[in-house]
Amino acid sequence: AQSVTQPDIHITVSEGASLELRCNYSYGATPYLFWYVQSPGQGLQLLLKYFSGDTLVQGIKGFEAEFKRSQSSFNLRKPSVHWSDAAEYFCAVGENTNAGKSTFGDGTTLTVKP
Amino acid sequence: NAGVTQTPKFQVLKTGQSMTLQCAQDMNHEYMSWYRQDPGMGLRLIHYSVGAGITDQGEVPNGYNVSRSTTEDFPLRLLSAAPSQTSVYFCASRGTSGDEQYFGPGTRLTVT
Repeated sequence: AQSVTQPDIHITVSEGASLELRCNYSYGATPYLFWYVQSPGQGLQLLLKYFSGDTLVQGIKGFEAEFKRSQSSFNLRKPSVHWSDAAEYFCAVGENTNAGKSTFGDGTTLTVKP
Repeated sequence: NAGVTQTPKFQVLKTGQSMTLQCAQDMNHEYMSWYRQDPGMGLRLIHYSVGAGITDQGEVPNGYNVSRSTTEDFPLRLLSAAPSQTSVYFCASRGTSGDEQYFGPGTRLTVT
């Protein structure tokens, strides 16, 4: 069965600083990988996704993520954080099957200091 | 194009009551799913459907029923509510395998 680990429950960064959120996954085949963001009281919105090809993927709001097969990781990065980036971030792995169920990590809450 | 809609937004139930959480999508997506979100536990899959007439259990199906009579609708039924079902419930849909999921705004359910 697939699984996702987000080792950091809560991260605090200063506005303008760089950000990296970690995600490790377990899946027996080539996975579909996703990062979603959730603002308070809202549903989840896709930031970016990886299926195949270039291992560095660009997403919305200036985010990027790098797929590293050897490390089973899909870390999310942003060079300069804005106060509006404060939210909860979820990494997810999707099955490469017809059913294509997704498994989500427990999430990382990002706080941005002024 | 409304995307994924959920009703109600908030609901309070007493233990033992039943209710149905509604979910609808207008994107002609075959795949729909229900998740519950609890603090520190991410999203856990309750039930999912790969098309009209086809449903299957996810990670935490006990106490919940679903049906899929149309492509658009995927209601979630709580047969006899328990305090352990207090949670935020999200419905989602997507197109083909590997596509992103589109989430509804959620239903916050409290069972007393």
